[in-house]
Amino acid sequence: AQKITQTQPGMFVQEKEAVTLDCTYDTSDPSYGLFWYKQPSSGEMIFLIYQGSYDQQNATEGRYSLNFQKARKSANLVISASQLGDSAMYFCAMREVSQGGKLIFGQGTELSVKP
Amino acid sequence: NAGVTQTPKFQVLKTGQSMTLQCAQDMNHNSMYWYRQDPGMGLRLIYYSASEGTTDKGEVPNGYNVSRLNKREFSLRLESAAPSQTSVYFCASSGARGMNTEAFFGQGTRLTVV
Repeated sequence: AQKITQTQPGMFVQEKEAVTLDCTYDTSDPSYGLFWYKQPSSGEMIFLIYQGSYDQQNATEGRYSLNFQKARKSANLVISASQLGDSAMYFCAMREVSQGGKLIFGQGTELSVKP
Repeated sequence: NAGVTQTPKFQVLKTGQSMTLQCAQDMNHNSMYWYRQDPGMGLRLIYYSASEGTTDKGEVPNGYNVSRLNKREFSLRLESAAPSQTSVYFCASSGARGMNTEAFFGQGTRLTVV
């Protein structure tokens, strides 16, 4: 069964607008962590933001925030004030304590920012 | 600061040939990973090593072997390459098994099997 699901293969957003990239996950482990990574066309993997399963508040890092809804098992990435440089692939990932630290990724969402 | 270094960056193999992808990290990390990335499939975990001397299968281990040579190095071996193994391979490392430590990635190896 897919552990991490990103249902949006591609998304478009107008420059300066906000965009939400969806991520749902499947786990029965009470202790886990959720990550978002960005992969520009150059290919490198860039860590953006982290949310722990016991964190009371949604994570924020600059223009990135994570909309964490534990009961719904979703961890959506919100990018505010989109910039042209935000055009990239975005990956959601999860690490579960019960899995010994393995980091599993979703299929990714390709975001295109329009001028 | 080198971080995670993968070699080679590009490789073309003929079906049936073998090769080893090398990965080294200089961040004193315990955990290391090998992934493959294919269009529409995201990054899929091939093998994982939680610490020196331990390895564990990931989502797609068939056709691959790994060696955690020491704390710094984690190599991935294709014994008999197949066209289905054409992919971009990423090595990554992270500081601990703690949930909040992000993984750092190498630049990737683009492998083509013809």
